[in-house]
Amino acid sequence: ETGVTQSPTHLIKTRGQQVTLRCSSQSGHNTVSWYQQALGQGPQFIFQYYREEENGRGNFPPRFSGLQFPNYSSELNVNALELDDSALYLCASSLGNTDTQYFGPGTRLTVL
Amino acid sequence: GQQLNQSPQSMFIQEGEDVSMNCTSSSIFNTWLWYKQDPGEGPVLLIALYKAGELTSNGRLTAQFGITRKDSFLNISASIPSDVGIYFCAGLVNYGQNFVFGPGTRLSVLP
Repeated sequence: ETGVTQSPTHLIKTRGQQVTLRCSSQSGHNTVSWYQQALGQGPQFIFQYYREEENGRGNFPPRFSGLQFPNYSSELNVNALELDDSALYLCASSLGNTDTQYFGPGTRLTVL
Repeated sequence: GQQLNQSPQSMFIQEGEDVSMNCTSSSIFNTWLWYKQDPGEGPVLLIALYKAGELTSNGRLTAQFGITRKDSFLNISASIPSDVGIYFCAGLVNYGQNFVFGPGTRLSVLP
């Protein structure tokens, strides 16, 4: 059974740029949730995709957008990057939209 | 919205000691999860709880779903150096909603 994978592991961008982060869900899982984790804090929910549709969104602006593909992998896109977007971005997959979530290793984004 | 509080924020213990930490909220949750996160890595699921009053063990770890549904507890027995990390609780209120995470408890184990 393949776990959740994320790419890239690290990324450095400058303010105003755009970034795309990728996540492959665990085998058999149809739901992907994205979280932002600032240094020293718990993960904050960004949004969730269930069977290719957005299924819930946290308190994040529209410049955070996502996509889920037919194989249930997912992308997180962030436009017009700001310094405060620097964080560890985590994706978690689950079987169903409320089942136990399993996390990937995260992508560390640094915005300069 | 729902918020979770975790205590203590951090703790230093001697190897071999038992550890207790908790997660509380003013809201009722229907599912509780406990995760451990090592630096620079994603959280790893330790224990999942689905029923009020449920007591579940995973090796040296034991977690309980509080009877009021507003809290959960995690105990670690006979701590070892690899227990070092940040422990997060996460709660789910209702189907169709997302998990809410606490701010974490940072555990340090002294040899």
